Amino acid sequence: EAGVVQSPRYKIIEKKQPVAFWCNPISGHNTLYWYRQNLGQGPELLIRYENEEAVDDSQLPKDRFSAERLKGVDSTLKIQPAELGDSAVYLCASSFSGGGGSEQYFGPGTRLTVT
Amino acid sequence: QKEVEQDPGPLSVPEGAIVSLNCTYSNSAFQYFMWYRQYSRKGPELLMYTYSSGNKEDGRFTAQVDKSSKYISLFIRDSQPSDSATYLCAMMSPGNQFYFGTGTSLTVIP
Repeated sequence: EAGVVQSPRYKIIEKKQPVAFWCNPISGHNTLYWYRQNLGQGPELLIRYENEEAVDDSQLPKDRFSAERLKGVDSTLKIQPAELGDSAVYLCASSFSGGGGSEQYFGPGTRLTVT
Repeated sequence: QKEVEQDPGPLSVPEGAIVSLNCTYSNSAFQYFMWYRQYSRKGPELLMYTYSSGNKEDGRFTAQVDKSSKYISLFIRDSQPSDSATYLCAMMSPGNQFYFGTGTSLTVIP
């Protein structure tokens, strides 16, 4: 079974440029998460989708970040314009939320460097 | 106060040692507890997943949850150099929100 797929794996951009990350979750997983992980820190949630609906985006900097999950499958996270402080690893994760607990699986991440 | 507290280490042990990794938490509503292993430049990999209090064993790994103390542990027996990684604890709230520790960096010396 394929895991969570993310692309690109690495991205280097200049500040003020736009950037987009793509995620394809594990087949059958209805919940998708985008996290940001800074060096030496645990992942911090940016946004969580249940199917197509964003149910938790309280930590998403909405002035520059946007996300979408069309058709409840793959998802795109965008930053426009990027700032130096956005340099981090952006992780996508997915799980099946069927009313009880759920095991969350991560993709390899996209390492973003803003210069 | 952070939801989840984890000692960042680093922790260095000789090969074959028993490793103990721990996290504490503040939210008594947490019911699902996880441990992830993260190698350098990789995404976190789910190691153990437990519900409520008790122990769960998987090979050389044992996860313990003590809800009365709000304390979880991961034990690694017969540690190997391949166990060298960062270990993240995570907890899930009833609303499907995940809270992560900062991770403990472990090095197993051959």
